[in-house]
Amino acid sequence: DAKTTQPNSMESNEEEPVHLPCNHSTISGTDYIHWYRQLPSQGPEYVIHGLTSNVNNRMASLAIAEDRKSSTLILHRATLRDAAVYYCILRDPNTGNQFYFGTGTSLTVIP
Amino acid sequence: GAVVSQHPSWVICKSGTSVKIECRSLDFQATTMFWYRQFPKQSLMLMATSNEGSKATYEQGVEKDKFLINHASLTLSTLTVTSAHPEDSSFYICSASTGAGPQHFGDGTRLSIL
Repeated sequence: DAKTTQPNSMESNEEEPVHLPCNHSTISGTDYIHWYRQLPSQGPEYVIHGLTSNVNNRMASLAIAEDRKSSTLILHRATLRDAAVYYCILRDPNTGNQFYFGTGTSLTVIP
Repeated sequence: GAVVSQHPSWVICKSGTSVKIECRSLDFQATTMFWYRQFPKQSLMLMATSNEGSKATYEQGVEKDKFLINHASLTLSTLTVTSAHPEDSSFYICSASTGAGPQHFGDGTRLSIL
């Protein structure tokens, strides 16, 4: 299973954009890039996913590098409710759809 | 959006007892369900993958006789921790998927073994 590397922690001021990076240099051609976030004592929540093209939804944007070896989750205006651990996960639908979570990035939002 | 319900949300029991955790997909049919375990300050660790009507596939190092998984229908999977001991205390989380799309997670079950 391809691995991802994320910074352990990041801080952001409230109402400012946040760029959360993820490196996945061993990504295969069929791996989808998924982002989830987890609040304390809750299960992970789906944020966004993509394959090659950049993606936007109501929660965030996903920017994928042209060589797909890295991606960035963009929260356009951080709120206090965005404070969570953010996980970048690779998933290959051809090999069982399993998620292997890395350590994630703990995002602190400063009021 | 897709909803996954997990029950109970927390349980405390004596060492040696067995505990069953249920995971239900409320508004969709889940062809695959996954079970994870998470220790404090750590990430989620995949325990097993469960497809409806077939035996679960366990990750390396996870005892299949200790953690019994049943996936009898497209909306229900159960995890039974048999003869639980204090080291089994953890946060157990399930997820459900219809295939290649996102996984939808339950809110977890906090298990404490005394």
